[in-house]
Amino acid sequence: SAVISQKPSRDICQRGTSLTIQCQVDSQVTMMFWYRQQPGQSLTLIATANQGSEATYESGFVIDKFPISRPNLTFSTLTVSNMSPEDSSIYLCSVERDSNEQFFGPGTRLTVL
Amino acid sequence: LAKTTQPISMDSYEGQEVNITCSHNNIATNDYITWYQQFPSQGPRFIIQGYKTKVTNEVASLFIPADRKSSTLSLPRVSLSDTAVYYCLVGDDDYKLSFGAGTTVTVRA
Repeated sequence: SAVISQKPSRDICQRGTSLTIQCQVDSQVTMMFWYRQQPGQSLTLIATANQGSEATYESGFVIDKFPISRPNLTFSTLTVSNMSPEDSSIYLCSVERDSNEQFFGPGTRLTVL
Repeated sequence: LAKTTQPISMDSYEGQEVNITCSHNNIATNDYITWYQQFPSQGPRFIIQGYKTKVTNEVASLFIPADRKSSTLSLPRVSLSDTAVYYCLVGDDDYKLSFGAGTTVTVRA
């Protein structure tokens, strides 16, 4: 298994500002993922973050809006830039282990006013 | 990634068996079928994964017919704490998870 923590757990932000979300894993992992879950909706994959390479973004998500860092094998950050109320969501990171099983963090609940 | 279809919601009572069927008509040869559970205010949690026939673990069973165009997650003797959203996912080893709408299971006393 993997133990994943995220900071902050929740935040309320003003329109036009940016928020950086941190994801910390208790062991080294190659692949980390960032998801968004809008209120009452399912999860949508934002990007895949591998250490030592640029993140790979899914359709509808761009680096300028959601820059991602992956400085080492246990840590990643997702920044939500120039926020608008439509960015209000839960943002979750996850990691992949050898068994094709993904482990998810508790999520960061973001509210943009 | 294969598209999946699940019932939106299901109601049950404590001690009953809950069976959730997922349709995945365009499943590919290399695809696995995976189920996740999500409680409110938590990230999804892996339940079970299978490729064909039947898989059982301490939490659930997964039944997959020969044509693999559907699968059924079986939760034996549910309790109130099994109230959650259950997601059926189909995919190969490219690690990308595509979550559908999920099934909200409500267990009543």
